[in-house]
Amino acid sequence: EVQLVESGGGLAQPGGSLRLSCAASGFSFSGYSMNWVRQAPGKGLEWISHISVSSNTIYYADSVKGRFIISRDDAKNSLRLQMDSLRDEDTAVYYCVNGFSTVGAGNWGQGTLVTVSS
Amino acid sequence: DVVMTQSPLSLPVTLGQPASISCRSSQSLVSSDGNTYLNWFQQRPGQSPRRLIYKVSNRDSGVPDRFSGSGSGTDFTLKISRVEAEDVGVYYCMQGAHWPLTFGPGTKVDIK
Repeated sequence: EVQLVESGGGLAQPGGSLRLSCAASGFSFSGYSMNWVRQAPGKGLEWISHISVSSNTIYYADSVKGRFIISRDDAKNSLRLQMDSLRDEDTAVYYCVNGFSTVGAGNWGQGTLVTVSS
Repeated sequence: DVVMTQSPLSLPVTLGQPASISCRSSQSLVSSDGNTYLNWFQQRPGQSPRRLIYKVSNRDSGVPDRFSGSGSGTDFTLKISRVEAEDVGVYYCMQGAHWPLTFGPGTKVDIK
């Protein structure tokens, strides 16, 4: 069974940092691109970052570019998101997703809540 | 950025009746590899999203066959042949053909 378990969320002050992790199991992690998607309270889904197989290609949404860094550790089946210079508008539930458009992809974790507030 | 629009944004349905959600993109979602990267997700109340359909019409394992996807280019549809109570939630289309990836605003399906 595919499992994606996010952790690392919590309360941060504006300008602060948090590091999210996503532990993957039940599939060949190294063979899938990975993504972070967030959902602000009561709002829709926003894709924020992608990392390809072998970390060859990385993309960010403009809303987080220059502040967030995505990385992966295939040896540990783990995805990370380093979030710096946090803003109020970064408050959201953050989900990791193992790709979107291929067989076996499209799996979401349970999400981790990030609250940015003073 | 590719803008995804959905209609309607709210869809009250009668149990056992069909339902249809339209999704339109501001650019063609046909990629240079010939695939069309349009996916559909369901988010039930209080749950994480779940992929239903990928690349327009491919239904995920475990997704009931009352769900179907169709369309081409910039115009796509998700159909539920007979709505059941467990189908209540928000449905999102998402394009995977252009960076940044973008989602539609969501269509809230509930029971009349």
